[in-house]
Amino acid sequence: NAGVTQTPKFRILKIGQSMTLQCAQDMNHNYMYWYRQDPGMGLKLIYYSVGAGITDKGEVPNGYNVSRSTTEDFPLRLELAAPSQTSVYFCASSGRGGEQFFGPGTRLTVL
Amino acid sequence: RKEVEQDPGPFNVPEGATVAFNCTYSNSASQSFFWYRQDCRKEPKLLMSVYSSGNEDGRFTAQLNRASQYISLLIRDSKLSDSATYLCVVTPNDYKLSFGAGTTVTVRA
Repeated sequence: NAGVTQTPKFRILKIGQSMTLQCAQDMNHNYMYWYRQDPGMGLKLIYYSVGAGITDKGEVPNGYNVSRSTTEDFPLRLELAAPSQTSVYFCASSGRGGEQFFGPGTRLTVL
Repeated sequence: RKEVEQDPGPFNVPEGATVAFNCTYSNSASQSFFWYRQDCRKEPKLLMSVYSSGNEDGRFTAQLNRASQYISLLIRDSKLSDSATYLCVVTPNDYKLSFGAGTTVTVRA
């Protein structure tokens, strides 16, 4: 099993550009999550999903969108990138009430 | 008040020492508790779950105090490889986690 995979690993965007961060898991988990982690800070939940077709906002959803068309995939879309979105983005998945497994992260810089 | 608060440290200890630190949580209805470990520029990984009766996993001991709403982690016989940031994690329900900002531990030779 690959676990949770994320692409790309690194990306530099210009202000106003858009991009999609990809996330996939092969553990048949219903729950998937997107977090951002700023330097020296904890993880903040952006969006989460409890199953295919169901998504909901976390603490910091502004400037992002998600979709969950399949159990495996949970892409995060950034529209109109801003310097405040410079961060490390982690995708995670879990079973009900269980351990969250994280992907390796995407390091995004917006200049 | 933050949902989960941790002493950021850093705790700088020699090899072989014992180091312990706590985290507090604000939601008394929280159901599950975990310690995650995060190495520099890496993803968090589960270190151990925390049970009401307290639990050990090798050199690591976790305790939960529901009355005072804190959990603790103790590391005995510290190794260089224990250097990391330890994240306190609390679940207000069965699918969302609240993360503390982390406690940094540095073990020196």
